[in-house]
Amino acid sequence: EPEVTQTPSHQVTQMGQEVILHCVPISNHLYFYWYRQILGQKVEFLVSFYNNEISEKSEIFDDQFSVERPDGSNFTLKIRSTKLEDSAMYFCASKRGSTGQWGNTEAFFGQGTRLTVV
Amino acid sequence: AQTVTQSQPEMSVQEAETVTLSCTYDTSESDYYLFWYKQPPSRQMILVIRQEAYKQQNATENRFSVNFQKAAKSFSLKISDSQLGDAAMYFCAYKRGTGNQFYFGTGTSLTVIP
Repeated sequence: EPEVTQTPSHQVTQMGQEVILHCVPISNHLYFYWYRQILGQKVEFLVSFYNNEISEKSEIFDDQFSVERPDGSNFTLKIRSTKLEDSAMYFCASKRGSTGQWGNTEAFFGQGTRLTVV
Repeated sequence: AQTVTQSQPEMSVQEAETVTLSCTYDTSESDYYLFWYKQPPSRQMILVIRQEAYKQQNATENRFSVNFQKAAKSFSLKISDSQLGDAAMYFCAYKRGTGNQFYFGTGTSLTVIP
């Protein structure tokens, strides 16, 4: 069964450093997402991506964050200058479509990358 | 704004017994979808069950069923004949009918006692 894969599973980085989180969505999916979950808090939406551009982003997704789909298969999240409060589990997800027959379909999630900023 | 609330951070159930996980949501939309996701330890979230808001009938998937109370904006998950493999974090999620974003609750950690 196809699945969303994320690498690495755990990333430790020093405050102020840049970090890139990697995701390979399911191949025939069109919508891609990044979510994060700070320990003990709810899963929060960061950004959605469709047709090679950001379709929605949250307040969390400020200028420090960027996303890219560099080669048609990977979907990356970059944090330019990490802060302590960026420590969280980051989930990538993908979805087949949005409207019509795909409107009610679920997003498929990866197992997450635990980012620890020290 | 859409919010999803799971008021039970932790629940436990004896193997073979039934447990109900609570979820409430807030929305002004009439067209939306609700989901329950399961996240086993160190594994990805997987869909357990979904409910379309326009359907009055409660969704069921084998041992999993929901009690969807649209007027009360409540969407609880019932797990019957609980198994050890049901132990996981369970997330309730909401999506607008025309939107792409999923809104999640804080999750309920379910322990199944042998």
